[in-house]
Amino acid sequence: QVELVESGGGVVQPGRSLTLSCTASGFTFGTFAMHWVRLAPGKGLEWAAGLSYDGNNKYVGDSVKGRFSISRDNSRNQLFLQMSSLRAEDTALYYCARSLVVAGHLDTWGQGTLVTVSS
Amino acid sequence: EIVLTQSPATLSVSPGEGATLSCRASQSINSNLAWYQQKLGQAPRLLIYGATARATGIPARFSGSGSGTDFTLTINSLQSEDFAVYYCQQYNDWPPYSFGPGTRVEIK
Repeated sequence: QVELVESGGGVVQPGRSLTLSCTASGFTFGTFAMHWVRLAPGKGLEWAAGLSYDGNNKYVGDSVKGRFSISRDNSRNQLFLQMSSLRAEDTALYYCARSLVVAGHLDTWGQGTLVTVSS
Repeated sequence: EIVLTQSPATLSVSPGEGATLSCRASQSINSNLAWYQQKLGQAPRLLIYGATARATGIPARFSGSGSGTDFTLTINSLQSEDFAVYYCQQYNDWPPYSFGPGTRVEIK
């Protein structure tokens, strides 16, 4: 079955870096656009970053621009989110999700990985 | 950036009753709107895309309507498993994707 599994979350100090991974199975990963969406405590969903099926087109949200970057390895069915200069407000549950086209609805989501930024 | 507003913020409904959730966009997004359901401790689940199309496996009691700036998610005869937070999301003017703040549907 179609599955997305995130990993790499944890507790990190402000200003430090962390890389999240998302491993896909049950579908042809290299034909789907992929995204990271986060859910901060007490807040709603916020799209953080997305990229095209081939990784050639990458986009990040304004709140993480210059600090987060998204990438993928289609040979390993993996999506990554490299986060640097982390702030307390980056504390959230991070989900990976797929879409058929880069600007489309998100039809499958992982269970999320929790990132806590705290000293 | 397109801003989505959802109303009401919280909706109290008795099981078996219907519910109507609203999502309004700050400018026209055509029919490029999706609805998601999120239960506590679970990942969001796609319910509706293209404003009106039900996603695979979604029960017929969920329906979406609207285009342009005003959209509605209707849930007929709420079941116990339908009590959750519902988000709308636009993908017409991207990036960024924008989500509404959510409507919590709770048991009355």
